Amino acid sequence: DADVTQTPRNRITKTGKRIMLECSQTKGHDRMYWYRQDPGLGLRLIYYSFDVKDINKGEISDGYSVSRQAQAKFSLSLESAIPNQTALYFCATSDTGGDYGYTFGSGTRLTVV
Amino acid sequence: GENVEQHPSTLSVQEGDSAVIKCTYSDSASNYFPWYKQELGKRPQLIIDIRSNVGEKKDQRIAVTLNKTAKHFSLHITETQPEDSAVYFCAANQNVGNEKLTFGTGTRLTIIP
Repeated sequence: DADVTQTPRNRITKTGKRIMLECSQTKGHDRMYWYRQDPGLGLRLIYYSFDVKDINKGEISDGYSVSRQAQAKFSLSLESAIPNQTALYFCATSDTGGDYGYTFGSGTRLTVV
Repeated sequence: GENVEQHPSTLSVQEGDSAVIKCTYSDSASNYFPWYKQELGKRPQLIIDIRSNVGEKKDQRIAVTLNKTAKHFSLHITETQPEDSAVYFCAANQNVGNEKLTFGTGTRLTIIP
C-alpha cells in the first residue's frame, strides 16, 4: 500500500548536534508538511512544500530547516538541537493542499538531552 | 491566519454512551474540516471530514456537524466502545489556495468499561 515513511522512528541526540529527520512517500502527492506534536499543544506546522521548488515556513520554523530533494522526499533538519525541540515529529502529505485530508507518516520521537 | 480551539481537552464516558467534542475556528473563508483519531503510539488518521457546503455528515457511529454562522463544528460518537479511546484532533484549512491545515489542541477520550 502507498504510504508515508519516516526515519528514524526514535532518536536521542545531544544539545548542539545537527540532526536530520527524513520523510519519503509513495502516495504520489505533491504537497508535504512537517508538524511537531507536544502534549496539550496539538500539531503545529513547522514547514511545508507544495512542490520540489516550493518551500514555506509554518508557524514555528525557527531553529529548523528543510530540503525537498524530490517529489517523494522531504527532510527536516535541526541545525543545533536544543532540549525544547524534544517532541514527536510527523511528516504528512496531501494531494490538494489539505482539501482532501492528510496522510501522516509513522512519526519520529526525538529527545534532545 | 486560522486559529482552531478545541474542547474539552479530556473526556471520559461510560461505554455505550455518546461523546461530543467541539471546535471553533476563526477564518470565515475556511471550507474544509477534518477530524483525526490518534491511538496510543500511532499516527493520526482521518476518520471523517466535512466541507462547508453541508451541515452534517455521518459514517456509522460517528458524525460531524458544522455551523458556519457560528464558526464551530463538532464530532459526535454514539454507542461508544473501548476502541474509541484515543486522542481526537479537529482541523480547519486556510482557504487561500486551500493551503495547509491548522489543528486543534486535541481531546483525550477515555471510554470506561
